[in-house]
Amino acid sequence: GDSVTQMEGPVTLSEEAFLTINCTYTATGYPSLFWYVQYPGEGLQLLLKATKADDKGSNKGFEATYRKETTSFHLEKGSVQVSDSAVYFCALSDQGYGQNFVFGPGTRLSVLP
Amino acid sequence: DGGITQSPKYLFRKEGQNVTLSCEQNLNHDAMYWYRQDPGQGLRLIYYSQIVNDFQKGDIAEGYSVSREKKESFPLTVTSAQKNPTAFYLCATSDLSYNEQFFGPGTRLTVL
Repeated sequence: GDSVTQMEGPVTLSEEAFLTINCTYTATGYPSLFWYVQYPGEGLQLLLKATKADDKGSNKGFEATYRKETTSFHLEKGSVQVSDSAVYFCALSDQGYGQNFVFGPGTRLSVLP
Repeated sequence: DGGITQSPKYLFRKEGQNVTLSCEQNLNHDAMYWYRQDPGQGLRLIYYSQIVNDFQKGDIAEGYSVSREKKESFPLTVTSAQKNPTAFYLCATSDLSYNEQFFGPGTRLTVL
């Protein structure tokens, strides 16, 4: 079945450092890909998405590119801030797969001042 | 305001009692989902529904029940058969294009 793998962390960075969180996927169809962010005690919020190969999703300085050839959707940010500390989830939506959404295990990011 | 409401935010129950968690949406989405999240863990799907009066079990349905009598509402009952019910419960919705899933703020259930 469909699955999402991402680096589990925790990831600890200093403010203004470069961030990469790796995400790879397995899907039977042509999925849409997502990054969600969860702040402590809250629900998940959509950070960015891409619906087809070579699409780049971007939001709040975060970017990820849909790479079909490597089945990857790595999250990057050039300069992280303390306020970026959260848990980040990679996910896919595959209309050929039962409940349609599959989430990775999440990566906890801590940014130190 | 459009969105998803989950109430209450914190819920405490004694062991052996059933408890129902509320999820209401005004996004006019057809699909609704319940997830369970344990500390430091990812999301696990409990139940989902794509249409009124129909729902399917997810990966961890044992000890839970749901109903979908209205498009706007998808309550989750945690029964006494659920062995470790203490967790953070998230409700989500999507339209049937499945291009995005929207999440509620969550309910933290503690069973004493």
